[in-house]
Amino acid sequence: TQLLEQSPQFLSIQEGENLTVYCNSSSVFSSLQWYRQEPGEGPVLLVTVVTGGEVKKLKRLTFQFGDARKDSSLHITAAQPGDTGLYLCAGPITGGGNKLTFGTGTQLKVEL
Amino acid sequence: GAGVSQSPSNKVTEKGKDVELRCDPISGHTALYWYRQSLGQGLEFLIYFQGNSAPDKSGLPSDRFSAERTGGSVSTLTIQRTQQEDSAVYLCASSSGAGTEAFFGQGTRLTVV
Repeated sequence: TQLLEQSPQFLSIQEGENLTVYCNSSSVFSSLQWYRQEPGEGPVLLVTVVTGGEVKKLKRLTFQFGDARKDSSLHITAAQPGDTGLYLCAGPITGGGNKLTFGTGTQLKVEL
Repeated sequence: GAGVSQSPSNKVTEKGKDVELRCDPISGHTALYWYRQSLGQGLEFLIYFQGNSAPDKSGLPSDRFSAERTGGSVSTLTIQRTQQEDSAVYLCASSSGAGTEAFFGQGTRLTVV
């Protein structure tokens, strides 16, 4: 089974700080997605990265796909309380019917 | 509808009873997923339907769990003889194809007492 391991599992920081969340696997993925989930809601897609080495920016969020397409990172600059939530990476399993598998999740809390 | 709809939103059931959870995916989406999520944790894969192919049931935790998808649209997840460890949020998602963006419903919070 192809696993996506995320670190850290929990992160509590102050407003204005920077942070990085990691998503790692021993398997190659054709693409990786990042989702954010808020309490009581389903996850919502933030970005999809498809090319090894690709960097995408979404306002204060920067997403990177590893050159070997086995890992990805999410960097948040100057975190705000609105960034609080569960961050999940996900990717299609090649050879598994391309079903989408999700990472273990990073629970982020940004405090004033 | 415009999005993925799940019902009921909350379900409290007694241990040993059977429950059915329903998912209405986005119209035209060929892929449908069921996941289970414990409090504040990641998503545990349960089952995956893709078009007319046989479903991938590799994530179902026991034979008490089953799911079907009728007419390539609505899906029902059934849990028989519920146990307290079945308590979780059950999330359904659909996508336009294998591995593409998944759109989630708000989930069904199941509590087994």
